[in-house]
Amino acid sequence: SQQGEEDPQALSIQEGENATMNCSYKTSINNLQWYRQNSGRGLVHLILIRSNEREKHSGRLRVTLDTSKKSSSLLITASRAADTASYFCATDYNQGGKLIFGQGTELSVKP
Amino acid sequence: GAGVSQTPSNKVTEKGKYVELRCDPISGHTALYWYRQSLGQGPEFLIYFQGTGAADDSGLPNDRFFAVRPEGSVSTLKIQRTERGDSAVYLCASSLPTSGTGETQYFGPGTRLLVL
Repeated sequence: SQQGEEDPQALSIQEGENATMNCSYKTSINNLQWYRQNSGRGLVHLILIRSNEREKHSGRLRVTLDTSKKSSSLLITASRAADTASYFCATDYNQGGKLIFGQGTELSVKP
Repeated sequence: GAGVSQTPSNKVTEKGKYVELRCDPISGHTALYWYRQSLGQGPEFLIYFQGTGAADDSGLPNDRFFAVRPEGSVSTLKIQRTERGDSAVYLCASSLPTSGTGETQYFGPGTRLLVL
């Protein structure tokens, strides 16, 4: 299976703290995308990082990609209660654009 | 502009019945994807359209599942003889034409299917 793995499966932090989620994958990729999902419904796209990129930022989000280790991390700085959600990494293995999702990290930010 | 829309938002049906789930992609997005998500899991790929044709249907679990996109815009996922195991959230996504390094996929809110 090409499915990636995410860790931790669950993360509970206090508001203001930083949250780091990790994603590992199996073979070479086109790109890796991070999504947020609230209440098991639609996914909200956060960041896409391509295989030739090492780091991208968007607001309080920072994504890194290490192709030698086949891993990526998502850092949320100064977390807020509204960041409480499930976070998924999804890899594009250059198979027509279909994404392979990990199991997700459930983040809980306590006020 | 409008995002990806999916109808119905919820569908309850009985085992053995036929259901249709509709997806309306973002205007101008030629690529359209269907995924299925079971409780506590990440989405799993079902089928991908580039224009009107199914470019990859390798994720469809069996021949009870079928999807069409006759005019290259709206797509319908069809499930025949539904089984309780088909209960899940069905997600649709669209993107610009896939390039060499891939494109961002934008997801709809999903259809929650419950088979009794």
